[in-house]
Amino acid sequence: AQSVTQLGSHVSVSEGALVLLRCNYSSSVPPYLFWYVQYPNQGLQLLLKYTTGATLVKGINGFEAEFKKSETSFHLTKPSAHMSDAAEYFCAVSSSGNQFYFGTGTSLTVIP
Amino acid sequence: KAGVTQTPRYLIKTRGQQVTLSCSPISGHRSVSWYQQTPGQGLQFLFEYFSETQRNKGNFPGRFSGRQFSNSRSEMNVSTLELGDSALYLCASAQMSGARTGNEQFFGPGTRLTVL
Repeated sequence: AQSVTQLGSHVSVSEGALVLLRCNYSSSVPPYLFWYVQYPNQGLQLLLKYTTGATLVKGINGFEAEFKKSETSFHLTKPSAHMSDAAEYFCAVSSSGNQFYFGTGTSLTVIP
Repeated sequence: KAGVTQTPRYLIKTRGQQVTLSCSPISGHRSVSWYQQTPGQGLQFLFEYFSETQRNKGNFPGRFSGRQFSNSRSEMNVSTLELGDSALYLCASAQMSGARTGNEQFFGPGTRLTVL
């Protein structure tokens, strides 16, 4: 069975500060992991994904995530937050076919 | 390439009615998945269609059904609407299905359904 836990439903950071959004997964098979971002009244946009290979994955808009098998984690980071980063972020693990299991989301607020 | 499109964007229905939502995937994508998004339950998988066949199904009652056409367009139907069906319904398309391939899903903007 697959599941995702996102710690912290709301995260606030100052503009220019480090962004860290936490994601832990449970998977009975080697996981494929994803981070998506959702802006108000829009669908989800892929930030980055881990399938195989390098465990540090770089995505769009300066985001990156590191797959740590020993910790079953896939935390999302960005060195310097920008006002435009304010949005809802979702971590997901894929199962058979294209069935995704999503976390409950983390709402990121950027304080000027 | 055009993205995933969903129609209508907004819909208001009353309890007991039925509704049909439409999704057009990215050209060349044969897999279409549907998700329900609510503040309380988050994003929940409804079902996936690939080559006109339902490949996976989430834990939703039989009132929720779908189909896929030969051009990969998909429709989702909800019969006998309940207040709790109010949600954002998201459609996502991907290139492949069947095996675990790690393909990303591309999401449409969603249909906001309100049941009164």
